[in-house]
Amino acid sequence: QPVLTQSSSASASLGSSVKLTCTLSSGHTTYIIAWHQQQPGKAPRYLMKLESSGTYNKGSGVPDRFSGSSSGPERHLTISNLQSEDEAEYYCETWDSNTHVVFGGGTKLTVL
Amino acid sequence: EVQLVQSGAEVKKPGESLKISCKGSGYSFPNYWIGWVRQMPGKGLEWMGIIYPGDSETKYSPSFQGQVTISADRSTSTAYLHWISLKASDTAMYYCARRRVTEVGDPFTVWGQGTVVTVSS
Repeated sequence: QPVLTQSSSASASLGSSVKLTCTLSSGHTTYIIAWHQQQPGKAPRYLMKLESSGTYNKGSGVPDRFSGSSSGPERHLTISNLQSEDEAEYYCETWDSNTHVVFGGGTKLTVL
Repeated sequence: EVQLVQSGAEVKKPGESLKISCKGSGYSFPNYWIGWVRQMPGKGLEWMGIIYPGDSETKYSPSFQGQVTISADRSTSTAYLHWISLKASDTAMYYCARRRVTEVGDPFTVWGQGTVVTVSS
């Protein structure tokens, strides 16, 4: 079963860019993942699906400021031109056997 | 508009039973997986299990197998999460979420608004 590792926290200034990373465990480095955003007090929101090739497909209404990329076992979420509303917890998700789901521990992003 | 609408907040005592619901609308309910995700206070997301309403195939995380039961009613487009005997440690927010059926799998792309469950004597 895959394991997803995320840094517990990150911070960046308003208007700058930040790159969050989700790392897949050994033996699962080609897995597709998804990124979700959870603003304080709200339900998670699907952002995008990200393949090992770096191809990503965003959910409806996700701003252009959000993009994805991949490098080996790492899956990245880059947020450009940071806004105050981007301050949130970001979770990555993957799955095994099509439906057995795993979440990363989440990264809390602070916008300074 | 595709939506998952969950039932309201619950306050229960240890040992009581509980069933919370998640009603899908705006899409063909039988043809998408519905999963349940727990979020304990101040903690991350934990996958509990998933059901395919089309044939009621259900899979559970080993951490939750035997602790909860997931079911679905196609006639009302509603999925359920059921506890027979609640514990204080079941206090959490519970989310339902939808995923497509594909050969390589797909993530949760639609989330319910969450149901908070508080278990206290």
